[in-house]
Amino acid sequence: DTGVSQNPRHKITKRGQNVTFRCDPISEHNRLYWYRQTLGQGPEFLTYFQNEAQLEKSRLLSDRFSAERPKGSFSTLEIQRTEQGDSAMYLCASRDESYNSPLHFGNGTRLTVT
Amino acid sequence: AQKVTQAQTEISVVEKEDVTLDCVYETRDTTYYLFWYKQPPSGELVFLIRRNSFDEQNEISGRYSWNFQKSTSSFNFTITASQVVDSAVYFCALSEAEQAGTALIFGKGTTLSVSS
Repeated sequence: DTGVSQNPRHKITKRGQNVTFRCDPISEHNRLYWYRQTLGQGPEFLTYFQNEAQLEKSRLLSDRFSAERPKGSFSTLEIQRTEQGDSAMYLCASRDESYNSPLHFGNGTRLTVT
Repeated sequence: AQKVTQAQTEISVVEKEDVTLDCVYETRDTTYYLFWYKQPPSGELVFLIRRNSFDEQNEISGRYSWNFQKSTSSFNFTITASQVVDSAVYFCALSEAEQAGTALIFGKGTTLSVSS
């Protein structure tokens, strides 16, 4: 078990470009979460998957954001037409299905939009 | 509405001092869970503890201890005999009873700097 893995670690892109991030959760975890963290703030919930089903989306997730988990394993988060305000650390976390088990976080993908 | 407040933005201590990080939460649910996470400079959030709303017993784990008081809606974290390796951002978080997602709501974090 290597923990939650996120790629890339860093991404610099120009405003207006599309970006995609990948998250590989802990293998036996069926629940996967995406969070966003900006400087000086705590992580903010974006969306949640149980297996391949996306069950919850935050109001923070504008229509430029889309997340998938096609086979219930890895997940991708795509941001279309990036804006400077999208610059943040994007964190992925997973947990198993036991009652309120803790989230295990990856190292995150730091996005910088220039 | 759920809310977690960590009023201390930054704390600086010298090694071997004790330090307490405050956390105050708001929720309408009677069943909820509280968490503390550590985020060292490397960036990865590390789970420290989970406490459910029905268990008000204080917990000690090595140099770490947690004081949960429902009467004041607080879940404070104390590090005894702090060390330089304790330097990190510490987040308190809340989740309500098991529902679809049960996403954690985080406070803004307290940055702890321990100097030698």
